[in-house]
Amino acid sequence: GENVEQHPSTLSVQEGDSAVIKCTYSDSASNYFPWYKQELGKRPQLIIDIRSNVGEKKDQRIAVTLNKTAKHFSLHITETQPEDSAVYFCAALYTGTASKLTFGTGTRLQVTL
Amino acid sequence: GAVVSQHPSRVICKSGTSVKIECRSLDFQATTMFWYRQFPKKSLMLMATSNEGSKATYEQGVEKDKFLINHASLTLSTLTVTSAHPEDSSFYICSAQREAGELFFGEGSRLTVL
Repeated sequence: GENVEQHPSTLSVQEGDSAVIKCTYSDSASNYFPWYKQELGKRPQLIIDIRSNVGEKKDQRIAVTLNKTAKHFSLHITETQPEDSAVYFCAALYTGTASKLTFGTGTRLQVTL
Repeated sequence: GAVVSQHPSRVICKSGTSVKIECRSLDFQATTMFWYRQFPKKSLMLMATSNEGSKATYEQGVEKDKFLINHASLTLSTLTVTSAHPEDSSFYICSAQREAGELFFGEGSRLTVL
């Protein structure tokens, strides 16, 4: 089955700086890579996703890049703000039958003033 | 994004009782729903995959007789924790998957077993 590794486990940045979180996956058949943001005690929220036919996707301050050859994908947050502080999870999925999302272990991002 | 509603958000019960948690996709039909358990400061642990009209598929180590899952319609899946014990106390989250693969989560249910 799929195995997703995520680094770093914790990340502290100053407000205004950029944050980068990296994930690797093992199953070359995976073709959908979402990122979720989870605030304490709340549900994970989908913030951005990318499919395997695209190398990069951007949505305002958030971008995701995908390297299919190396089987890794990254989340980039620019101009970080205190409200970006949360736990971020990457995930990988093969959108075939009986597909299920495999999550990374999470990165706790702290944006300091 | 799509809306998935989970109820109740918080439940406290006595040891030995059963608790039912509902998960509804409000604006799309979900043939597949998933149930996760999350421990403090940990990632989401998949418990089972709920398929509409068929038996759920449980992950290794998850007791199917302990965690009963029913997916009776395209918009509703339920998780029943039977004969709950304090070690079952946890944050349980459901998710529903759209055809294109996007996954949307319910609000989560915090279960406390006394």
